[in-house]
Amino acid sequence: QSALTQPASVSGSPGQSITISCTGTSSDVGSYSVVSWYQQHPGKAPKLIIYEVDERPSGLSNRFSGSKSGNTASLTISGLQAEDEADYYCCSYAGRSTWVFGGGTKVTVL
Amino acid sequence: QVQLVQSGAEVKKPGASVRVSCKASGYTFSGYYLHWVRQAPGLGLEWVGWINSKSGGTNCAQRFQGWVTMTRDTSISTAYMELRRLKSDDTAVYYCASGKRADTEFDYWGQGTLVTVSS
Repeated sequence: QSALTQPASVSGSPGQSITISCTGTSSDVGSYSVVSWYQQHPGKAPKLIIYEVDERPSGLSNRFSGSKSGNTASLTISGLQAEDEADYYCCSYAGRSTWVFGGGTKVTVL
Repeated sequence: QVQLVQSGAEVKKPGASVRVSCKASGYTFSGYYLHWVRQAPGLGLEWVGWINSKSGGTNCAQRFQGWVTMTRDTSISTAYMELRRLKSDDTAVYYCASGKRADTEFDYWGQGTLVTVSS
């Protein structure tokens, strides 16, 4: 399995919206609505922020939203805040009980 | 609340084996799967495999087949991952993460265990 493709970095000013893409294939993202996103601050464990393409865990800010079209999933962060500066990883179910992650995107708040 | 607490950092020589543990609390251990994910220094996340905490069944990424073993001890709500024949590029932080099924997201994560492989 090859890693899902994400941009290496995305930046935005406070209050702006940014979108991170995650491109897979018809064997993973394109075949399953089991795409999740994780936020990771430096030195910390990843944290689930989106699951099943567009669902948010209880208590998570609605500034985070997810979507999918074909083989590409996307994470949008609206009203960007300083605390959103982190690495973001997409992850897709790839069939046969296996999973594949994206390479990660570093979000910088200008 | 759900907590996954992992064992401490390890330093191993090339060719050695290492076993990392992950102790769960705050939920019914046998009701969930435990996944293992690793992250080499400065790099991204890589899924290693999972163990069904109830049955003990396992599955792992093709590249880890034959040298990763995942087990669990339900009496102490703890899962283990053993890596054999370590190489320097196995140096990474290894995380455990829980999931309701093999095909659902990883909802809670351990704090990570740094495994350093160096001669």
